[in-house]
Amino acid sequence: ETGVTQTPRHLVMGMTNKKSLKCEQHLGHNAMYWYKQSAKKPLELMFVYNFKEQTENNSVPSRFSPECPNSSHLFLHLHTLQPEDSALYLCASSPGLAGGPSTDTQYFGPGTRLTVL
Amino acid sequence: GQNIDQPTEMTATEGAIVQINCTYQTSGFNGLFWYQQHAGEAPTFLSYNVLDGLEEKGRFSSFLSRSKGYSYLLLKELQMKDSASYLCAVRDSNYQLIWGAGTKLIIKP
Repeated sequence: ETGVTQTPRHLVMGMTNKKSLKCEQHLGHNAMYWYKQSAKKPLELMFVYNFKEQTENNSVPSRFSPECPNSSHLFLHLHTLQPEDSALYLCASSPGLAGGPSTDTQYFGPGTRLTVL
Repeated sequence: GQNIDQPTEMTATEGAIVQINCTYQTSGFNGLFWYQQHAGEAPTFLSYNVLDGLEEKGRFSSFLSRSKGYSYLLLKELQMKDSASYLCAVRDSNYQLIWGAGTKLIIKP
């Protein structure tokens, strides 16, 4: 029980579909993250939100669109994905620091296993 | 470029001791993390080192040498449930986490 939940746990979608991944944290944290995890590769940081403001966008294609309506919820909107986008998408949160990058320990959700056909 | 190296896979026997190494080359250093990830599950935090030396937490210990750009995770009295991937991550000068690809640890009876 990590206090970070993600839905759905599994998702299969076609390249023309639009879907959204949801993350919710119950830890009272102020920073939230989206990562992509592919087999035998390092975690790839996609987006960072600190106090609901996006502070990082690591050259992620525009077919991935994040949304952070409050410090407890984070969404990843998906549209016109490619088969190479198939991966495990992990959400994480950390306590965060006001006015700057988070330096604290990140706690992860169980991930959404995404398959793009 | 920034790089974290750790072995892809290791095998050990139940009840034994195993050491998983991690070497890093990063732009600056603001701490090193070890995470455990069971197949299909979330990575879970194991340890954090920012100063040189050994940090012990029960059966798990983590060591850091900043001058050598080197860390290891030591697991004692191995149990079958320790079969998992172990991820090393370094926080760089911009406080970004740089991740290794993980070491898959297989425990045999």
